Amino acid sequence: EDQVTQSPEALRLQEGESSSLNCSYTVSGLRGLFWYRQDPGKGPEFLFTLYSAGEEKEKERLKATLTKKESFLHITAPKPEDSATYLCAVQARGATNKLIFGTGTLLAVQP
Amino acid sequence: GAVVSQHPSWVICKSGTSVKIECRSLDFQATTMFWYRQFPKQSLMLMATSNEGSKATYEQGVEKDKFLINHASLTLSTLTVTSAHPEDSSFYICSAAGSSNIQYFGAGTRLSVL
Repeated sequence: EDQVTQSPEALRLQEGESSSLNCSYTVSGLRGLFWYRQDPGKGPEFLFTLYSAGEEKEKERLKATLTKKESFLHITAPKPEDSATYLCAVQARGATNKLIFGTGTLLAVQP
Repeated sequence: GAVVSQHPSWVICKSGTSVKIECRSLDFQATTMFWYRQFPKQSLMLMATSNEGSKATYEQGVEKDKFLINHASLTLSTLTVTSAHPEDSSFYICSAAGSSNIQYFGAGTRLSVL
């Protein structure tokens, strides 16, 4: 069964304190792994798509990496505005674009 | 970037009434649209997938007669919650995917059934 597990469930950082979020996955043929950011009461905002092991993508203070079993979202020198829930999702081959989401990591960055 | 508009953002209704939620892709053609439900502090649960001009595919456990989905055009899908009851109160979110396999999400609709 396709499955996504995110850790930690919650993370509190001081402004400027870098860290990483983990997304472990089991899927019958990975088509793509997706990272989204969700603010309270809003829909998820697309961040990155990764397609193959070894791939990396960056956007401002965020960097996503992918292996055959997991993905990391690295946050460098975070700011309070980076506080949000970060969701990881996988898409299996032949799955008609269907996403399987993890439960997310709630990130709080304190000034 | 791809923009998905969802309306209304918040609706309160009486038990037994029906509520319609609209999802529009504003700057791209959405060949596939998705409807999710999210409970507090939980992740997104896929309810159904719809392709333009064809019947929606519902996930196991989702009542198709309760949650009516219409995908009439490449830019519009609607979800109607029929005969809503308090247990249907939730956060409903739509997403749309075009030629890429990336889903872009609407802002969500908070449904409260009294």
